[in-house]
Amino acid sequence: DAKTTQPPSMDCAEGRAANLPCNHSTISGNEYVYWYRQIHSQGPQYIIHGLKNNETNEMASLIITEDRKSSTLILPHATLRDTAVYYCIALNSGNTGKLIFGQGTTLQVKP
Amino acid sequence: NAGVTQTPKFQVLKTGQSMTLQCAQDMNHEYMSWYRQDPGMGLRLIHYSVGAGITDQGEVPNGYNVSRSTTEDFPLRLLSAAPSQTSVYFCASSGLAGTDTQYFGPGTRLTVL
Repeated sequence: DAKTTQPPSMDCAEGRAANLPCNHSTISGNEYVYWYRQIHSQGPQYIIHGLKNNETNEMASLIITEDRKSSTLILPHATLRDTAVYYCIALNSGNTGKLIFGQGTTLQVKP
Repeated sequence: NAGVTQTPKFQVLKTGQSMTLQCAQDMNHEYMSWYRQDPGMGLRLIHYSVGAGITDQGEVPNGYNVSRSTTEDFPLRLLSAAPSQTSVYFCASSGLAGTDTQYFGPGTRLTVL
């Protein structure tokens, strides 16, 4: 599975959009991009995933560049409860159970 | 549905003691796995199972045993605890479809003295 690179930390003002980048320049054609988050040492929580097309659900949007070498997770209206560590993971669809977590991005949402 | 449950929430052991961390899920998921998370680090896969009677090793399996006698339960055994096993342990489950997402339990915080 491809390695991903994320900034270690980011700040965002409450109510504003939080844009979390992820680089996965070695991703292969059958690897998906998954996002999970971990709030204050709780178990990780699935957010969204995608292959090629942009995706949106009730939690977030995922924008994947056309060359698939990078992506951005967008939380449209960040709240204090979105303060968490966000993990971007690239993996083959057959390995979705074998998540490889990097350091992630610590998002601090500030009032 | 209770989802994925783990017991105990906290545990303190002495070096050399044994114990079993319990994990159960009520979603009829075939896939279950155990991760550990050391302070300031991401999660690392210990063992996983794709169904009852089938288990395999993950990234950091040494010092841990697992078995899967039912679909619902996936216990993790520490036969002889060591201080290096001080960590937070998370259990997860999912279906087997290619893009099924993982559901995680609340974790067990283990300290080995």
